Amino acid sequence: NAGVTQTPKFQVLKTGQSMTLQCAQDMNHEYMSWYRQDPGMGLRLIHYSVGAGITDQGEVPNGYNVSRSTTEDFPLRLLSAAPSQTSVYFCASSYFYEQFFGPGTRLTVL
Amino acid sequence: DAKTTQPTSMDCAEGRAANLPCNHSTISGNEYVYWYRQIHSQGPQYIIHGLKNNETNEMASLIITEDRKSSTLILPHATLRDTAVYYCIVRVSGAGSYQLTFGKGTKLSVIP
Repeated sequence: NAGVTQTPKFQVLKTGQSMTLQCAQDMNHEYMSWYRQDPGMGLRLIHYSVGAGITDQGEVPNGYNVSRSTTEDFPLRLLSAAPSQTSVYFCASSYFYEQFFGPGTRLTVL
Repeated sequence: DAKTTQPTSMDCAEGRAANLPCNHSTISGNEYVYWYRQIHSQGPQYIIHGLKNNETNEMASLIITEDRKSSTLILPHATLRDTAVYYCIVRVSGAGSYQLTFGKGTKLSVIP
C-alpha cells in the first residue's frame, strides 16, 4: 500500500491564483481530513469528510473548498490564494482511532 | 474538547527512558488520550491512545492517572530517531477521532 499520497510536494503561487492540492489514499478509509501547519504551530483542521459525497468544515475553512467524489480522493482547492495561506498542508485518512498522514505540501503564496 | 498542557521542550539521553507529561484536567468521561509525534517536516504519526487503563504497544507506554487528569507517554529506550515534537490530544474515539486538535506539543531532543 502507498498509504496517503499528496501532490505536489512544493508549490509557489502568486496572490489571486487558484490551485488544487491533491490527496489520495489506498486504504479504503471512509474518513479523510485536511490540516494546515504554520511555522512553530500545531496542525489546524481545514475540512474533513466522513465518506464519498459528504464534507464538512473544520476550524479554519475560509478560502478553501473540498469535494469527495470517491473514497480514494479528497482534493483541496484554493479559490484565490492569499499570502496568509502560506503554510504546509497535510492530508490524512482515518480508520476508527488512528489517522494516517501524508507527507505534506509546502505552499508559498507571494 | 478538553484542553491539554505540555512542556514546550525536553531533553533525554540516548538509551534512557523518555517520560513526556500531559495535563488534561477537564477531560470528560468519554474522551480518550491520544499521542502523536511529528518528526521534522513529516506528517504526524500515531503512537498510542487510551481511556483509563495503562496501554503499551511496540512504540511506547501510556500511563493515565486514576483521576484521568494527567498522563505520561513513556519511550522506554530513546534513540536519536525519537527526536520529534510529541502531541498529546484529548478526543472522543471512534467517529470523532478524525477531528483532532493539535496544540504546540513537546519538542523532545534525544542527546547522544
